[in-house]
Parts: sequence; C-alpha cells; structure tokens
Amino acid sequence: GENVEQHPSTLSVQEGDSAVIKCTYSDSASNYFPWYKQELGKGPQLIIDIRSNVGEKKDQRIAVTLNKTAKHFSLHITETQPEDSAVYFCAASMGAVVDNFNKFYFGSGTKLNVKP
Amino acid sequence: DVKVTQSSRYLVKRTGEKVFLECVQDMDHENMFWYRQDPGLGLRLIYFSYDVKMKEKGDIPEGYSVSREKKERFSLILESASTNQTSMYLCASSTRGSGYGYTFGSGTRLTVV
Repeated sequence: GENVEQHPSTLSVQEGDSAVIKCTYSDSASNYFPWYKQELGKGPQLIIDIRSNVGEKKDQRIAVTLNKTAKHFSLHITETQPEDSAVYFCAASMGAVVDNFNKFYFGSGTKLNVKP
Repeated sequence: DVKVTQSSRYLVKRTGEKVFLECVQDMDHENMFWYRQDPGLGLRLIYFSYDVKMKEKGDIPEGYSVSREKKERFSLILESASTNQTSMYLCASSTRGSGYGYTFGSGTRLTVV
C-alpha cells in the first residue's frame, strides 16, 4: 500500500516568517494530495489540495507544490500568524479506483508553532 | 453548514466494557471512515464503509468492529475495551468520487481505565 512520510514533526517559526512542510509518497498511482489543519480540540479541516495534473496551487498565504517525478509535495505558508499554529497533516490518495474507495493515507503530522 | 457529528467529545470506560462510538453525517456521503489518532503516529485507518451495510478493514482493525445500518450513520464498536485503545477517535466522510477531501468530525477522546 501507499506510504506517506512527513517532515518535520515539529516546526517553530517567528511570526511573519515562512513555514514549509514536506511529504513524500511511495505509490506513483496516487493522484490527489490534500492538506489538513487540526487546531487543538478539533477535527482536521481541509485547507488546500492538489491534483496530479497540477504542479502548484495557491490560496492566499498558503501554497502547495507537487513533484510527481520525485514523489514529493510540500505545503508553504507565508507571512505566518499565531493563528496558523496547529498540527498539519498531508495525505495521498489514488482516488475512487477499484478496491481503494477514495482512501487517504496520512502523514504523521507536523506541529507548527508560530511565535508572536 | 454541512457536518460530521460525533456523539461524544470525551468518554471514560472501564477495561472489558463494550463501547459504542457514533458518527452521523448530513452530506449524503457514500464513504465513511474511522481513524484513531495517537501522538507521533498520525491518523491510522481502523475501518471504513463505502455503502450501507458494507464495511472494509483498514490498517488496524483488531479489537474493533463497525456497523452501518443507515447511510448517514457509522458506528465504531470496541468489543472489549482495553487500555491500549485509549486514543482520539476521528470519524470522516467523503463522496465516492475521486479527488474530494474528507470532512472530519471533532473527535472523541476515549480513555479506558
């Protein structure tokens, strides 16, 4: 099955700096890569996603890049703010193909701390 | 606002008890999932269901079972709770189509004593 690795496990940045979280995946059949943000005491929430036919996607201060050849994708947060402090998860999916049922394979999470 | 609702935020149960965790979604999603979340291990899939009365084992199904009698409801059952099942349990749902994210519930923190 798919294996997703995520680094770093913890990341501390100063407010206003950029933060980058990296993930690698093992199965070249994966074609959908969402990122989730989990605030304390809450369930994960989708913040951005990218499909395999796209190399980069931006949404305000958040961007995701995908390198299919190297099988890695990254989350970039610019101008970080204290409210960005949370745990971030990456995931990979092969979609709704036979026997996969749109299952996601998650990374182990990155705890981001943005210091004021 | 669409939602995945987990019936309990916090539960404390005794070893050996049968425990039911309930999850309801109002998005008419076909797929529903149960994950457990532990520090350093991320989210691990316990069971999932792609249709009413259908279920599939995830990566760590041992000690758990599930029930999906109605499309909107997916229950996780701990047949005989043990202390190593102390964890955060997350329910999620998704449409059957490819390339759509999950919607998660807020989680149930279960402590088995």
